[in-house]
Amino acid sequence: EAGVVQSPRYKIIEKKQPVAFWCNPISGHNTLYWYRQNLGQGPELLIRYENEEAVDDSQLPKDRFSAERLKGVDSTLKIQPAELGDSAVYLCASSPGPIREQYFGPGTRLTVT
Amino acid sequence: KQEVTQIPAALSVPEGENLVLNCSFTDSAIYNLQWFRQDPGKGLTSLLLIQSSQREQTSGRLNASLDKSSGRSTLYIAASQPGDSATYLCAVISGGGADGLTFGKGTHLIIQP
Repeated sequence: EAGVVQSPRYKIIEKKQPVAFWCNPISGHNTLYWYRQNLGQGPELLIRYENEEAVDDSQLPKDRFSAERLKGVDSTLKIQPAELGDSAVYLCASSPGPIREQYFGPGTRLTVT
Repeated sequence: KQEVTQIPAALSVPEGENLVLNCSFTDSAIYNLQWFRQDPGKGLTSLLLIQSSQREQTSGRLNASLDKSSGRSTLYIAASQPGDSATYLCAVISGGGADGLTFGKGTHLIIQP
């Protein structure tokens, strides 16, 4: 069974440019998460989806970040415009439900210069 | 707000030793606790999931215990090997799952050959 797929694996952009990350969860997993991990820290939740509905986005900086999960399968996280402080690893995870075991993708390492 | 602390932050031991990694959390109202492994530049690999009603889980040379009332978990690694070198992260789900996983900062483990 395929795991969580993310692309791209690495992205380098200049500040003020837009960037988008894509995630395809494990088949049949209704719950999808986006986390951000800064260097030396544990991941922090940005947004959680139950099917196509964003049920918790309180940690998402809404002035520049947006996310969507059309048709309740794959998801896209966008930053526009990017700032230097957005440099981090963006991780996608999925699970069969909100309090079930979570499975993580390899992440996208974003560098903003 | 849930907070997770991991001690020690770093650990270096000779190959073959048994070792214990510690995790504590401030709010005992958790649904489950997960231990993850993260290799440099990689995503998170789930090692063990302990439900709130369980006391421990075992997988191969790994054993994780949970004392929910005192807000503590330990990860025991038996007969350590150089391949066990990685960062180990502890995370809990609480608050109905709305906040996703709350992570500690991790323990950076080095097993010396």
